[in-house]
Amino acid sequence: GEQVEQLPSILRVQEGSSASINCTYENSASNYFPWYKQEPGENPKLIIDIRSNMERKQTQGLIVLLDKKAKRFSLHITDTQPGDSAMYFCAASWTGGYKVVFGSGTRLLVSP
Amino acid sequence: EAAVTQSPRNKVAVTGGKVTLSCNQTNNHNNMYWYRQDTGHGLRLIHYSYGAGSTEKGDIPDGYKASRPSQENFSLILELATPSQTSVYFCASGEPGVQNTLYFGAGTRLSVL
Repeated sequence: GEQVEQLPSILRVQEGSSASINCTYENSASNYFPWYKQEPGENPKLIIDIRSNMERKQTQGLIVLLDKKAKRFSLHITDTQPGDSAMYFCAASWTGGYKVVFGSGTRLLVSP
Repeated sequence: EAAVTQSPRNKVAVTGGKVTLSCNQTNNHNNMYWYRQDTGHGLRLIHYSYGAGSTEKGDIPDGYKASRPSQENFSLILELATPSQTSVYFCASGEPGVQNTLYFGAGTRLSVL
């Protein structure tokens, strides 16, 4: 299969705490895993990605982890701010394929 | 940044009518995609294309057709619109390969009454 499962669907955190979103994928050939952020009324935009030759990537308060054996990858947002409130999507694709398969999304709500 | 333009931004259609959603990209990307977004389902792939003249079925193609007459343009066609096709539609473009980053248009909100 090619499905990407994403959990949780809704995540509520306090400002300053961390937030974690988890995804699993079915296609063993998947080798590229992007994360997109979608603000209300806007289009999804890439925020961070990781390739299969890496286990961890970090940029500006975002950390992505990849466990290829478990076919699992995750996004961790440190020191969350109200501006982090948005919909987040994980996705997977593979070399030679044209499809990009998305998870069902996580709505992150950061309260002051 | 990649520029993907969708038109119209909003559309109200009647059941049984024909609807055409248009998408234009100016970055010479080979791949183009049509997704629909519904609460609880995330982004679901309807059709995609890997170049001018090609169209491929995605995961939910029933009731939709696609057309890629040129590198820049990719249309989604609803020949007989139904209320179940009420949704937000996103077009995206990207390049195949190891890093297939997608660039999305602003979206089209379609209501079928």
